[in-house]
Amino acid sequence: SQQGEEDPQALSIQEGENATMNCSYKTSINNLQWYRQNSGRGLVHLILIRSNEREKHSGRLRVTLDTSKKSSSLLITASRAADTASYFCATDPTGNQFYFGTGTSLTVIP
Amino acid sequence: GAVVSQHPSWVICKSGTSVKIECRSLDFQATTMFWYRQFPKQSLMLMATSNEGSKATYEQGVEKDKFLINHASLTLSTLTVTSAHPEDSSFYICSARSNRKGRWYGYTFGSGTRLTVV
Repeated sequence: SQQGEEDPQALSIQEGENATMNCSYKTSINNLQWYRQNSGRGLVHLILIRSNEREKHSGRLRVTLDTSKKSSSLLITASRAADTASYFCATDPTGNQFYFGTGTSLTVIP
Repeated sequence: GAVVSQHPSWVICKSGTSVKIECRSLDFQATTMFWYRQFPKQSLMLMATSNEGSKATYEQGVEKDKFLINHASLTLSTLTVTSAHPEDSSFYICSARSNRKGRWYGYTFGSGTRLTVV
């Protein structure tokens, strides 16, 4: 399977704390993307990091990429209850297909 | 920004009937469309990839005769679940990508279709 793996599978934190999710993938990539999905809804694109980038920021989000380890992490700082959702990393190894990681379910407790 | 409209958002059908799901790119040309299914509390599994005007490429284990994909135009792709069974009940999501040079739309997702087969 081309699917990446994420850990933890589930994460529960208090509002205001930081949340870190990790993603590992199997093949070389052009870029890696992170998505958010609220329960039973479509996906929202959060951030894209290219293979020649090591770190990227967007608001309260910080993404790192280590191509030598085939891994990425998503950090959400100062979490809010509204951040409760599932988060997926996704890779496009061939330029023709797009695969998602297993996802991390984040619960932020008010 | 790029928008993909997916309809219906939810559908209930009887076993043995067929259901068509549509995805339209509203403000860009989707040269490639991806179809995913997602079971509760699981990740999205790629079912097939279709390029406009070509036959879809199905992932291993996905029955092409059961999940018919049509991508006849640059703005519309459809997924038809034929002879639906309860085990086909799932959340189906499309994603569009434009390969046109000069503009990167990334992957734009539809809002998903919840299919329940009774």
